[in-house]
Amino acid sequence: QVQMVQSGAEVKKPGASVRLSCTASGYTFSDYYIHWVRQAPGQGLEWVGLVNPGRGDTNYAQKFQDRVRLTSDTTTNTVYVEVSSLRSEDTAVYYCAGDIGPYDRTPGHWGQGSLVTVSS
Amino acid sequence: EIIMAQSPATLAVSPGEGATLSCRASRAVSFNLAWYQQKPGQTPRLLIYGASTRATGVPDRFSGSGSGTDFTLTITSLQSEDFAVYYCQQYHTWPLAFGQGTKLEIK
Repeated sequence: QVQMVQSGAEVKKPGASVRLSCTASGYTFSDYYIHWVRQAPGQGLEWVGLVNPGRGDTNYAQKFQDRVRLTSDTTTNTVYVEVSSLRSEDTAVYYCAGDIGPYDRTPGHWGQGSLVTVSS
Repeated sequence: EIIMAQSPATLAVSPGEGATLSCRASRAVSFNLAWYQQKPGQTPRLLIYGASTRATGVPDRFSGSGSGTDFTLTITSLQSEDFAVYYCQQYHTWPLAFGQGTKLEIK
């Protein structure tokens, strides 16, 4: 079955960068887009962006365009999100999620989440 | 950018009763609307996509309806495991956008 396995929790200082990974299995990696969604403590879900793993195409929410980079590695079926210039407001659980198909590009298969804590 | 608004923010319902959750998009999204359920400490779970199609394994007491700008998630005969936060999300255009969530709590 489809599985998305994410890297572990990170603690970073303000101004630093963080890189999280998400390894997919159980399907053809290039067939489905992978989204990143974050959730700050006690808050709702916020879409960060997506990557087409096969082509490397990306799309970002406007607020993240300058500080977030999504990449993919087809040799390891892994996608990465890198967030730079971290600030306390970036403290959140970051989820990756594969979409459910070419006609419904919405997150359907979620990873377990990676907690990023930004603190001095 | 499309803005999603959910109502009410909180809904208190007794087990066994039904619940109706609403979601409105700032612009038409056709049928490209999904609903997610999230329980405390858990990953979001896709319930409905295409406005009305249940995801695999979702009980038939969950149903979605609507198109364009106005959508509804209906849950009949609420079970204890249904009390959670529910989010709608449009995927008609990028950037995707979630509503702020409706917390369904036990009355």
